[in-house]
Amino acid sequence: NAGVMQNPRHLVRRRGQEARLRCSPMKGHSHVYWYRQLPEEGLKFMVYLQKENIIDESGMPKERFSAEFPKEGPSILRIQQVVRGDSAAYFCASSPRPDVPDTQYFGPGTRLTVL
Amino acid sequence: GESVGLHLPTLSVQEGDNSIINCAYSNSASDYFIWYKQESGKGPQFIIDIRSNMDKRQGQRVTVLLNKTVKHLSLQIAATQPGDSAVYFCAEIPYSSASKIIFGSGTRLSIRP
Repeated sequence: NAGVMQNPRHLVRRRGQEARLRCSPMKGHSHVYWYRQLPEEGLKFMVYLQKENIIDESGMPKERFSAEFPKEGPSILRIQQVVRGDSAAYFCASSPRPDVPDTQYFGPGTRLTVL
Repeated sequence: GESVGLHLPTLSVQEGDNSIINCAYSNSASDYFIWYKQESGKGPQFIIDIRSNMDKRQGQRVTVLLNKTVKHLSLQIAATQPGDSAVYFCAEIPYSSASKIIFGSGTRLSIRP
């Protein structure tokens, strides 16, 4: 059973471009979480999705950021008109059910660099 | 507000010795406290958790202690090995949002041969 997959692993964008980050959860997992990590800091929660639904987006910036988890295919975190401050590592986690910590498995992350 | 912080940003330990990583938290309304290990270039890996109604839990070579009186959490690693080198994060899941993990800022553990 493959773990959580994220791609690309590294992404370089110029200011003003769009960034699309993909997350394929573990097989059988219908809950996906996105976190952002700045260098030398802990992860910050962004959004929690179930299939086709956003459950909690309290950590997501109101502008330029959006997330989806369609019925088929990976979850997508989309950042429009990127700025230098968006440079960070973005981690996705998945779980078969919420509320139990050890069932939330993290992917390897996408490192976004904005030039 | 919600806040999980660590006492020390770095910790250097002799191989074979025990490691103790400490964490202070400020939110009393948390259900779970968790320790994660993050190796360079990888995502966080769950180590051990403890519910708020417990004060101690043991795993393989690791022990987590929770002191609710002083809002303090610690991770003890027995017989530290080179493979334990990583950044360790304490984290919590508040009652108010059972699926949102709140991470602290991390302690880097390095092992001296």
